[in-house]
Amino acid sequence: DAGITQSPRYKITETGRQVTLMCHQTWSHSYMFWYRQDLGHGLRLIYYSAAADITDKGEVPDGYVVSRSKTENFPLTLESATRSQTSVYFCASSGGTEAFFGQGTRLTVV
Amino acid sequence: AQSVTQLGSHVSVSEGALVLLRCNYSSSVPPYLFWYVQYPNQGLQLLLKYTSAATLVKGINDFEAEFKKSETSFHLTKPSAHMSDAAEYFCAVSDGNEKLTFGTGTRLTIIP
Repeated sequence: DAGITQSPRYKITETGRQVTLMCHQTWSHSYMFWYRQDLGHGLRLIYYSAAADITDKGEVPDGYVVSRSKTENFPLTLESATRSQTSVYFCASSGGTEAFFGQGTRLTVV
Repeated sequence: AQSVTQLGSHVSVSEGALVLLRCNYSSSVPPYLFWYVQYPNQGLQLLLKYTSAATLVKGINDFEAEFKKSETSFHLTKPSAHMSDAAEYFCAVSDGNEKLTFGTGTRLTIIP
């Protein structure tokens, strides 16, 4: 199916564990983004990518790592999860006219 | 640096009444402005966008927004609210580099 998909939709992990959130888009959009959504903060940009092998930090990058070896995939890794990283994570892609968002991953760090 | 301020984290209107959601922006360059809607447990969906063409922008589901440079505003309106409009609405700004800066959101409740 065409679109942008995130997996998993829900994840519970323990403090200190590494966790990877997956994002896949089928449009071959150049730009991809990771945002986190927290009450009172709206959506904040974590990392973005302008093309394969090109990534850059957003507003809140600390504690996160990204990679983009293929245009269609943009995984987000929390190297050592902390409770402050409990949030809803949204992946988005853009081909230049508008950004399309995935359904989100609700991550709980206990 | 860009920023967006959405006045009112919660707005309630009666079904059939006018919807007005406020957004003010700050940008050092001519901005691109967007309104997104988020239904429960869903991602964000684009309602409308301003990209320096007409200042009055029409979007989906009868929503529209007017870009007012003098007021640095981009308020969202709908003439007659429906129950299905209940959702969270986000205003966002971009300087054309694809990155979006979002406001904190406004939750719209429709009263039957």
